[in-house]
Amino acid sequence: AQSVSQHNHHVILSEAASLELGCNYSYGGTVNLFWYVQYPGQHLQLLLKYFSGDPLVKGIKGFEAEFIKSKFSFNLRKPSVQWSDTAEYFCAAHTGGFKTIFGAGTRLFVKA
Amino acid sequence: EAQVTQNPRYLITVTGKKLTVTCSQNMNHEYMSWYRQDPGLGLRQIYYSMNVEVTDKGDVPEGYKVSRKEKRNFPLILESPSPNQTSLYFCASSRQLTYGYTFGSGTRLTVV
Repeated sequence: AQSVSQHNHHVILSEAASLELGCNYSYGGTVNLFWYVQYPGQHLQLLLKYFSGDPLVKGIKGFEAEFIKSKFSFNLRKPSVQWSDTAEYFCAAHTGGFKTIFGAGTRLFVKA
Repeated sequence: EAQVTQNPRYLITVTGKKLTVTCSQNMNHEYMSWYRQDPGLGLRQIYYSMNVEVTDKGDVPEGYKVSRKEKRNFPLILESPSPNQTSLYFCASSRQLTYGYTFGSGTRLTVV
């Protein structure tokens, strides 16, 4: 079955530390990948998406993600996190048809 | 402002009392979907709609109904709520799934 795995459920970082959140998907065909962010008490917002072309995707707020097809991965990165990046991050995959599959989420806490 | 509007934001109800959570979007999106969010499980799709009068089950449809009589509205109906339906519910819409979703603000439902 198609699935999206986020291996880190909780991450704690200090401000200015670098961030990398892992995401792996299981699907062998064409896939569109997304990262969403959910700030405390708010709805999900789209951070960035990979559709095709350059596998390094830049999103809002200094986030980027790299699509590595051979590893079925789409890891989210940020060189220097801020306290305001404290949130839950969801990786998602659209594999065609009418379904988008979400990972279980990673809670990031940034210490000031 | 382009948005997805859900109501109510919070709801506490008793087992068996029918309820409806409304969802409306002003972006003329054809695709709409309902998700529930539970800790450690991420977002799971309940139902989706590809257009007016066209709906289909997601991964966890049991105990829920939907309708799509107008393009902008996609209400979620719980005919006989049970405590295991206590969750955070999100409505989302999309012009095209490869572009990602716009989410509503969420409805926190508690069934006692």
